[in-house]
Amino acid sequence: DIQMTQSPSSLSASVGDRVTITCRSSQSISSYLNWYQQKPGKAPKVLIYAVSSLQSGVPSRFSGSGSGTDFTLTISSLQPEDLATFYCQQSYSIPFTFGPGTKVDIK
Amino acid sequence: QVQLQQSGPGLVKPSQTLSLTCAISGDSVSSNSAVWNWIRQSPSRGLEWLGRTYYRSKWYNEYAVSVKSRISINPDTSKNQFSLQLNSVTPEDTAVYYCAKVRSGSGVFDPWGQGTLVTVSS
Repeated sequence: DIQMTQSPSSLSASVGDRVTITCRSSQSISSYLNWYQQKPGKAPKVLIYAVSSLQSGVPSRFSGSGSGTDFTLTISSLQPEDLATFYCQQSYSIPFTFGPGTKVDIK
Repeated sequence: QVQLQQSGPGLVKPSQTLSLTCAISGDSVSSNSAVWNWIRQSPSRGLEWLGRTYYRSKWYNEYAVSVKSRISINPDTSKNQFSLQLNSVTPEDTAVYYCAKVRSGSGVFDPWGQGTLVTVSS
């Protein structure tokens, strides 16, 4: 199975800050990397698919980059409604696997 | 717009069978372009994909190795839904269970059901 890691595991930032979350895969997954946002008590929702494609309806302050084994999710200007846990997920091979998550708090 | 509605008990006794159903609206369980999945989430295991079912001229199932001996995912075309059965449960199977669709070829889970907290306890 492909193992996914994320860093940091949690962060606290102020409204308006630029936030960067890193995801790494245990082997190359090309561009088969997706990002999800999970708000407390809710199911995850896809934010970005195929590394950098923004899901319909997702604010443009979210962006993704990377390839191979190293990927990044960036929030250009953190908003109060971004309080959530963010997960990366590889869709390169079955079983699809998720990272452990990065919890984002608002200072 | 595809919507998934989960149902099933929230409490299961150890050694018994966990059974959940995911009703689909806005799509068909028999669609040739969809794959229907079960995923669970727990503090100890994080988000864990359990398995999937899909139709491509015939039905296919694939399961995670960790649960392969205990799991069954079945489509019900008459009710346009699919189900999860997990046998011989232990407290380690306590988790929030989600159903989710993947559009064929995308690998993206979207949408998800609302989630069902299943507690394994006597």
